[in-house]
Amino acid sequence: AQKVTQAQTEISVVEKEDVTLDCVYETRDTTYYLFWYKQPPSGELVFLIRRNSFDEQNEISGRYSWNFQKSTSSFNFTITASQVVDSAVYFCALSEEGAQKLVFGQGTRLTINP
Amino acid sequence: GAVVSQHPSWVICKSGTSVKIECRSLDFQATTMFWYRQFPKQSLMLMATSNEGSKATYEQGVEKDKFLINHASLTLSTLTVTSAHPEDSSFYICSPRAGINYGYTFGSGTRLTVV
Repeated sequence: AQKVTQAQTEISVVEKEDVTLDCVYETRDTTYYLFWYKQPPSGELVFLIRRNSFDEQNEISGRYSWNFQKSTSSFNFTITASQVVDSAVYFCALSEEGAQKLVFGQGTRLTINP
Repeated sequence: GAVVSQHPSWVICKSGTSVKIECRSLDFQATTMFWYRQFPKQSLMLMATSNEGSKATYEQGVEKDKFLINHASLTLSTLTVTSAHPEDSSFYICSPRAGINYGYTFGSGTRLTVV
């Protein structure tokens, strides 16, 4: 069975601080995909990144970076120099090859205070 | 690419009435549609999976007779909440399978409030 755990329910930081959102997953498959989505108050899901299980290379996109470690089954997300606009709920998700449906973590509500 | 249109964005209905939510893939053909539900301050949970021209597959605990899914074409899928009750109030989001696009595009969601 597949499972995604985001242990941090809520995080609150002051603007310009760096913040890391944790994600731990469980799967029996060797081929799977990991995702991060941002959900602002309006509700829509904004796709941030997809990573497949064979690509452990860390990725950086502007102020966003992701650290994928298969050894610890983690796919953590870091925002550098956070901004108020980063305030949202962030979801980590897992998809096993063939299943294609997404299993979401519980989400982390991130609040960036000015 | 991978543009999804979901309507309505929000709807308020009375208990006992039915509500239809439409999800359209505007620039691609979706052979599979996933419908998710998100209760307030909770995560997204898969409700059902539909394949074009076939009956939908429902997740455990989701009533197939209450949540009717129609996926009659490759660009349109609908979710009808029949005999709605206040406990059906939730955020419903569609997600079409866009071929090799594993970005998993989502509709903008429909916020349903049953009074």
